[in-house]
Amino acid sequence: KAGVTQTPRYLIKTRGQQVTLSCSPISGHRSVSWYQQTPGQGLQFLFEYFSETQRNKGNFPGRFSGRQFSNSRSEMNVSTLELGDSALYLCASSLGGEYQPQHFGDGTRLSIL
Amino acid sequence: DAKTTQPPSMDCAEGRAANLPCNHSTISGNEYVYWYRQIHSQGPQYIIHGLKNNETNEMASLIITEDRKSSTLILPHATLRDTAVYYCIVRVVGEYGNKLVFGAGTILRVKS
Repeated sequence: KAGVTQTPRYLIKTRGQQVTLSCSPISGHRSVSWYQQTPGQGLQFLFEYFSETQRNKGNFPGRFSGRQFSNSRSEMNVSTLELGDSALYLCASSLGGEYQPQHFGDGTRLSIL
Repeated sequence: DAKTTQPPSMDCAEGRAANLPCNHSTISGNEYVYWYRQIHSQGPQYIIHGLKNNETNEMASLIITEDRKSSTLILPHATLRDTAVYYCIVRVVGEYGNKLVFGAGTILRVKS
């Protein structure tokens, strides 16, 4: 069974640009969550989508947004990029049930110049 | 979600059991304990989770104390590939949505 796939693996942008990251969940998984990982703040939850609806949100500015499609694939968008947005962005999927564990992809490494 | 405390780092000899402790003294009755690990340059990998009974799978065993205030993740025969950061997470199941709150974790170094 294929795991969570994130594209692209690496991305370089400049300040002020916007970026879209993509996540394909494990087949059959309906929940997709996004996390940001930086050396200073560690792993932080961004948001979660389930059946195309955002059902949980972390404490990030509105520049960070996401969406989920009917096939459960998800995208996250960051607008007006800042240097501090340089991070590893991780996507995780799960069946969506109460105690189902999340399974992570290997992330997209975003560097802002 | 309850707060967890883990040692910042541990060493283990290859082939020996690695026992990673986690303190969660404020855990409440409906909170599960989850363990993940992250190998450098990869995403976190789910290992195991449990509520109050000990659990075992192909990767590890999870031992939860009777009062549920602490737990231990056991890797029975550690290999060099088990070198990683191990995260112990406590979260409420049934809470609306899926959200994991990661701490700093324990860096496990397996040495030959």
